[in-house]
Parts: sequence; structure tokens; C-alpha cells
Amino acid sequence: DVKVTQSSRYLVKRTGEKVFLECVQDMDHENMFWYRQDPGLGLRLIYFSYDVKMKEKGDIPEGYSVSREKKERFSLILESASTNQTSMYLCASSLGGQLKREYFGPGTRLLVL
Amino acid sequence: DQQVKQNSPSLSVQEGRISILNCDYTNSMFDYFLWYKKYPAEGPTFLISISSIKDKNEDGRFTVFLNKSAKHLSLHIVPSQPGDSAVYFCAARFGNEKLTFGTGTRLTIIP
Repeated sequence: DVKVTQSSRYLVKRTGEKVFLECVQDMDHENMFWYRQDPGLGLRLIYFSYDVKMKEKGDIPEGYSVSREKKERFSLILESASTNQTSMYLCASSLGGQLKREYFGPGTRLLVL
Repeated sequence: DQQVKQNSPSLSVQEGRISILNCDYTNSMFDYFLWYKKYPAEGPTFLISISSIKDKNEDGRFTVFLNKSAKHLSLHIVPSQPGDSAVYFCAARFGNEKLTFGTGTRLTIIP
């Protein structure tokens, strides 16, 4: 079974802090994604990566950056956390190909005070 | 611009009856559609998918119907069980592009 793990289930940070969210997948997937989920807005894509060292902006990249130094690991960075970044953050991975499906991690609920 | 829409934020269904969740899309280029199920404090899990070359796909209690002319997708769950209570997201993709998700429908199964 594919396993996608996220470094924290819950995080509380202060406004202005730098925040790192880590994601690791164990199935040698090429693609990795970061989403945030907010009530009434569904899942919105922040950044994604199709290969090591590669990154692409999703629909809402402002205020975020990412790093993919190894194939299995994809990090989301909030350079200076703000209260509007309080959300559930979900990491996902997938194989390449048209009929691929994303496998999600358990999520990190981030509260920015 | 919401390309994938789930117009019902919530749905309540009696246990044992059929649950029908609906999804509309605007991009006629989408050629692969998926449904995910999400429990609170967990990540979404894949439920069922359908390619645009089909109009129906079944997997046990779950059936997805695709009406390309109406740009409409529906998920049928029969019979509904208490463990089906969750938020359901539909998602769509064109080719090898990223997934576009709907806003979700919260399904509550009433015992």
C-alpha cells in the first residue's frame, strides 16, 4: 500500500514565523502535490512537482514556497506565516500517466495566531 | 473560475436508501474523473474513477455515471451505510494535467 506521511498532524505557530511542512512518500512516485482545504472552498492546489528539483505553481502559490531535493520528500514552506494561512494542509503523490490518481497523506492542521 | 462544481454542500440520506451526489464541470477537455471520500482529520481516499470514453463504472456499492453532453457526473451509493458519512469530492483532469477538485458535499447517513 502507498504510504504518504506528513511530519505533523497539528501545528500552532505565531504570525511572522517561518513554517516547514514535510511530506514523505514511499512508493517512488514521480509527482507530489501540496493542497490546502478550507470549508466551502474544497481542495486548492498550492504547488506541485513532477520530478526532483522541479516545481510548478498551482492555483494559490502566494505566500508559499516548496522544496524537492529528493524524490520521496516534498516540503512546503510558509516564509512568514499569516492568520489567513490557518488551514488543513494535504500532501499527495502519484505516478505519472493519464490515469493516475493521487494518494493523500493524513493532513496537517495549521493554526496561525 | 470554478471548473468543477458541487452545488450541494450537504446531503442527508436514510440508511439503506440510495445516496446520489452530483458534480458539474465546465471544461469539455476533461477526460478523467475521480471521486474521493474524506473523513474528518484524515486525508482524502480514492473511491472510484471513470474515463470519458465510458458513461458508467461500478465498484461494489458505488457507481459513477458520466453524462458528457450535460457535463455532469454523479456518484450513486446503494445501499447507504453509516460508514459512508463523510465529505465527498469530485475531481477532473485533462490528459496529464493536475487534478481540479470540486468544493465537496458532506453526506450524512441517518440510522
